[in-house]
Amino acid sequence: NAGVTQTPKFQVLKTGQSMTLQCAQDMNHNSMYWYRQDPGMGLRLIYYSASEGTTDKGEVPNGYNVSRLNKREFSLRLESAAPSQTSVYFCASRTIGGMGTDTQYFGPGTRLTVL
Amino acid sequence: AQTVTQSQPEMSVQEAETVTLSCTYDTSESNYYLFWYKQPPSRQMILVIRQEAYKQQNATENRFSVNFQKAAKSFSLKISDSQLGDTAMYFCAFVYGGATNKLIFGTGTLLAVQP
Repeated sequence: NAGVTQTPKFQVLKTGQSMTLQCAQDMNHNSMYWYRQDPGMGLRLIYYSASEGTTDKGEVPNGYNVSRLNKREFSLRLESAAPSQTSVYFCASRTIGGMGTDTQYFGPGTRLTVL
Repeated sequence: AQTVTQSQPEMSVQEAETVTLSCTYDTSESNYYLFWYKQPPSRQMILVIRQEAYKQQNATENRFSVNFQKAAKSFSLKISDSQLGDTAMYFCAFVYGGATNKLIFGTGTLLAVQP
C-alpha cells in the first residue's frame, strides 16, 4: 500500500516549457487535491477534484490545468512555465463517507524550479 | 474568509522537555476540523493529530496533545518528552465540512529539538 505517490520528485524547466506532474493514490479515495508550497507560507490549494469526473479551482489556479484521469490519478499541467511557478507541489487525497473523511493524506512532493 | 495564524515562526526546545506551539483561526463555521501536520526535512507532510470542533475533549496521540479552545478559536499543540526526530516544520490547518474539504494552512512553526 503506497498511499499517495507523485512523479517526478525533482524537475527543472526553462521559462515557457510545459510539463505534467503525476499523482496517484491506491487508497480508493474519492477526492484529490493539488497544493503548492512557497517559502514562508503554508500550502495553498491550486485545484481539487471532489470526485471522479469533476474538477474545480482552488485559491491559486492561474497558469495550471488538471485532469482527473480516473479515480486513482490526478495530474497537474503547466502549459507555459514561469519563474513564479517555482515551488514544491503536493498532491493529497481523502475518502468521503465513514471514518476519517475529513483527513487528507499527502504525497512526498515535487520540487519544481523554473529558470 | 477562513484564516489560520501561527505567530511563532521558530521555536527551540531541549530534548525530553515539553513545548507548546500556538495556532489561532478565524471562521464563522460551526462544524469544522483542525489538524496539525508535521513536515520534516524530507518534505513529507505527516498528520500528527486531528480535532473535531464538535468534540469538547482534547485530542491526544501518544506524546502529542492539543488544547482546543473553541470560543477563543485557539488550537495549540503540546509535545511532551521532545525527541530529536520531532525537529520539523509544524503546520496548523483548518477545514470545514462539505464536498470540497479545502484545507486552510497557517504559515508554519519551525521546531528545533536540541540534544
